[in-house]
Amino acid sequence: GQNIDQPTEMTATEGAIVQINCTYQTSGFNGLFWYQQHAGEAPTFLSYNVLDGLEEKGRFSSFLSRSKGYSYLLLKELQMKDSASYLCAVRDQDYQLIWGAGTKLIIKP
Amino acid sequence: NAGVTQTPKFRILKIGQSMTLQCAQDMNHNYMYWYRQDPGMGLKLIYYSVGAGITDKGEVPNGYNVSRSTTEDFPLRLELAAPSQTSVYFCASSYSSNSYEQYFGPGTRLTVT
Repeated sequence: GQNIDQPTEMTATEGAIVQINCTYQTSGFNGLFWYQQHAGEAPTFLSYNVLDGLEEKGRFSSFLSRSKGYSYLLLKELQMKDSASYLCAVRDQDYQLIWGAGTKLIIKP
Repeated sequence: NAGVTQTPKFRILKIGQSMTLQCAQDMNHNYMYWYRQDPGMGLKLIYYSVGAGITDKGEVPNGYNVSRSTTEDFPLRLELAAPSQTSVYFCASSYSSNSYEQYFGPGTRLTVT
């Protein structure tokens, strides 16, 4: 079966750095996505990785290792507005997105 | 551009009732998707469409139907609502299956009692 695992909840301090991990087992691989979802709102796109390595976009970076079936999202200089759920999704061999359950990130002052 | 719009925002249905969730996009995207999101669970694909007149089942299609008569609209029909269909429903669109990003509507919160 297809499976994506990420921690259920994480807590971090404003101004700090946090790393959210995602491991996956899917039928084929055509890219890995990170989305942000604030409570009661729709997911919004953060990042996309299809090749191994680090993609940096401002305060957010995403890393991929295809051989390990592993990715992480790194958030720097945390702000209170970063309190949200972070969803990891993998595009499989049929070009469908398989979604993890999301990691709820709580930022404390 | 309005992006992806969904109506209604909230709805309460009685068991056995039917309803249609509306979804429209104004970005001329070929691909449209319906997902459901249950608490603590990932998004599950219900149905998707690769263009007007073409639809296909996703992971959890039972109890739902869709149609795609135009590029812009992709309604989701619930027949004989059941409590198991209580969920948040998101419609999304993308230009192609290989697009970097899917654009999501604001969601419909449905309760079946």
